[in-house]
This record gives sequence, C-alpha cells and structure tokens, in this order.
Amino acid sequence: GAGVSQTPSNKVTEKGKYVELRCDPISGHTALYWYRQSLGQGPEFLIYFQGTGAADDSGLPNDRFFAVRPEGSVSTLKIQRTERGDSAVYLCASSQREARSYNEQFFGPGTRLTVL
Amino acid sequence: AQSVTQPDIHITVSEGASLELRCNYSYGATPYLFWYVQSPGQGLQLLLKYFSGDTLVQGIKGFEAEFKRSQSSFNLRKPSVHWSDAAEYFCAVGARRDDKIIFGKGTRLHILP
Repeated sequence: GAGVSQTPSNKVTEKGKYVELRCDPISGHTALYWYRQSLGQGPEFLIYFQGTGAADDSGLPNDRFFAVRPEGSVSTLKIQRTERGDSAVYLCASSQREARSYNEQFFGPGTRLTVL
Repeated sequence: AQSVTQPDIHITVSEGASLELRCNYSYGATPYLFWYVQSPGQGLQLLLKYFSGDTLVQGIKGFEAEFKRSQSSFNLRKPSVHWSDAAEYFCAVGARRDDKIIFGKGTRLHILP
C-alpha cells in the first residue's frame, strides 16, 4: 500500500517568505509526527498530532512555526517569515494507534526546504 | 531529559567484515530504543526496537542490537556487512509508546570493496 507522502519534495524560497509543507499519512493512521533534519544531524521532533489535535508541540522552535491537521488526516506545516536557519529536510511520520502495542512510526521521504 | 550519543560520525569497514555501531542513551527509566537506517534518497527505515524482555533483539537485514542497562548502551551489530549496508544509521530513544523519538546525530557507514 501507499506510504507516507510529502509535497513538495523540494522547496526553495526567499528569506522572509511564507511556506507550507504538506504531509499525507498512511490511510487509517491516527498519529502524525513532524521532524526536522538539518545537515549532518539526526531528525529533531517538532510536533505530534493524535487525530486533529496537537498532543505535543514542544519541539516547535518558535511562533513562526505552526502545524494543523483539521480533519485528522493530511497535515500542513506552516512557516512564517522564513529564515536561512530554517533550511532543512522536514520529515513527516505516521503511526496507527493501537492499545497495548508499540505503534511504529513510518517516515515519509521528506521535503527539502532551502531558504535563500 | 532524554538524549542519545553516537560517538562515531563515520565508520569504514570492508565488505564481509563484522560491524558494531555504538550508541549511549540518557534516560531515567527503561526507554524504548530504536535503530533506524537512512539511505540516500530513501526515507528512514526502522531496523529494530527494544522495549523490554530479552536484551538481544533481532532486526531486519541481519542486524541485531544488545541493550545493556548498566552501560546505558544499545549497540548495533552485524556479523558480515554487504556493500548495500552503506548508509546513515541513527540510534533513537522514546519515553513511552506513541511518544516522540529523540535521535542521535547518526553514524555514516562506508563499505570498502
């Protein structure tokens, strides 16, 4: 079946612009995660949704970053007033929430964001 | 706070040789531990995980890892590497089921023919 998909695969923008990154989770997965991977680093957690609500947004670096998941499926990560330091690969993962078992996070291919 | 340390940024081994990638974690209780692999152009793939029970866990692609609580380590091993194993490997820790995952900085594995 289809895995996690992310669009666009690449995004180049100018400093100060607004960008939206989209994540389509695996069908039926109720949990959705956003991570950011900077060059030479491991992925860093940004936010986690359970259904439509953000269960943990402790990783969002500042108020320029915002994410939504209005219908409990597709999620959009929004970055306002982009800065060069926002350049990274943004990864999305989803998992199927089941009681009494570990719910593996399946990762998408990522969106590479470059802020000029 | 949870953290993960992978002390080796790069590791080079010859094809057919054995491999051990080191990982140390910091967490107060027994964590969920993971190893992921990331190949160029590929997404992150889970190799194996440890939650409880047998401290030696088997994963995909012939990999295994051993949890050592006394050393706060979760090292990844493979008895004989293949050229296709060349990739970036990430050790990671989670506090509980469905929790965010904290990743190490990764170890890039190079394979000599």
